[in-house]
Amino acid sequence: DGGITQSPKYLFRKEGQNVTLSCEQNLNHDAMYWYRQDPGQGLRLIYYSQIVNDFQKGDIAEGYSVSREKKESFPLTVTSAQKNPTAFYLCASRRGLNEQFFGPGTRLTVL
Amino acid sequence: QKEVEQNSGPLSVPEGAIASLNCTYSDRGSQSFFWYRQYSGKSPELIMFIYSNGDKEDGRFTAQLNKASQYVSLLIRDSQPSDSATYLCAADAGGTSYGKLTFGQGTILTVHP
Repeated sequence: DGGITQSPKYLFRKEGQNVTLSCEQNLNHDAMYWYRQDPGQGLRLIYYSQIVNDFQKGDIAEGYSVSREKKESFPLTVTSAQKNPTAFYLCASRRGLNEQFFGPGTRLTVL
Repeated sequence: QKEVEQNSGPLSVPEGAIASLNCTYSDRGSQSFFWYRQYSGKSPELIMFIYSNGDKEDGRFTAQLNKASQYVSLLIRDSQPSDSATYLCAADAGGTSYGKLTFGQGTILTVHP
């Protein structure tokens, strides 16, 4: 069963903590993306990766880091430098030129 | 700043009516356009994409693109209560920004019985 999985579904972070969000896909897609969605807002691009061992900053990369060591995996770390991390985080992978498909998301809350 | 603008709504239509969702974009280099449906608390689901000027139909959905006016729309015929969701419009970033999408803020659609 092909698809994109994200874990955990819900995540709570204390002030000053780094947390890592998992994203895995078995669609054999080369490109993967991380977005952030705030209530009532569209999606804003954090980081993206076109190929293994390569990634680029999106529009709001400050306070986040990523790695792309395997084609299937694109984890996102929310660092303590991100001052307002409470949001819905969405991972996507791309088929063809531009069609992006999303995982179920991780809802991060800062305590 | 490249932008995609949508009427935030909410848009309310009766069951069986046609719902019309609109989107404008600022980047003339954008070549492909996408409509996503997002139910409350869920992730976006791709429902339509369009690359060429004109209309593209898929079941009850029709996407319309007018590149000269930088305008994209989505029509939902015979609207059902299950169509109630937020609809996100997205445009590719164009140029060398291969594969990047810019999203609008979404339009909330409510279909009432």
